[in-house]
Amino acid sequence: RKEVEQDPGPFNVPEGATVAFNCTYSNSASQSFFWYRQDCRKEPKLLMSVYSSGNEDGRFTAQLNRASQYISLLIRDSKLSDSATYLCVVWGGGGGNKLTFGTGTQLKVEL
Amino acid sequence: DVKVTQSSRYLVKRTGEKVFLECVQDMDHENMFWYRQDPGLGLRLIYFSYDVKMKEKGDIPEGYSVSREKKERFSLILESASTNQTSMYLCASSRSTLTYEQYFGPGTRLTVT
Repeated sequence: RKEVEQDPGPFNVPEGATVAFNCTYSNSASQSFFWYRQDCRKEPKLLMSVYSSGNEDGRFTAQLNRASQYISLLIRDSKLSDSATYLCVVWGGGGGNKLTFGTGTQLKVEL
Repeated sequence: DVKVTQSSRYLVKRTGEKVFLECVQDMDHENMFWYRQDPGLGLRLIYFSYDVKMKEKGDIPEGYSVSREKKERFSLILESASTNQTSMYLCASSRSTLTYEQYFGPGTRLTVT
């Protein structure tokens, strides 16, 4: 079983739609959680951290459910520029002091 | 502005060649990392370094070695390149062990023929 699992997509949504991505992690000792964004043929960049209390940054909301070992990312009012691959990332736990990346969920926002 | 640079964007090498991938960061970061990224497998950690002359194996170190002689520079070495090492190689750095945000370089797409 992969340490971090994501639906690869692609998710094709119209501009203005709300879209949600989910991610599960296998190690209950994992300590910190993040979403990174990777544009086509570019490097990954940190999008936001994920907290149990939820974390909102403009149109983006991230949520953590430790009991279910589940992380989510919600994007409201999707823009064409949101088209990218979203990587679920976990830090710590059995993997040690390093980041473990999911394989990513691809989002395509269309006119 | 944060900057991580890698020596080449594209590289083509023959099987058995020794390959050097260079990474430089200008942020005075303590930690540096080498990943490879393959479709369906995501980013996998090869090696990382917490300090000069220090190195730690990641999840897939076999067939690779690293060198960190200066704080700003982290090199990945393929002693004898093989076709299964064809991949996108990404270097990253972070300020300290307790800092989770990693800054990535643009990547080197290596093809081994």
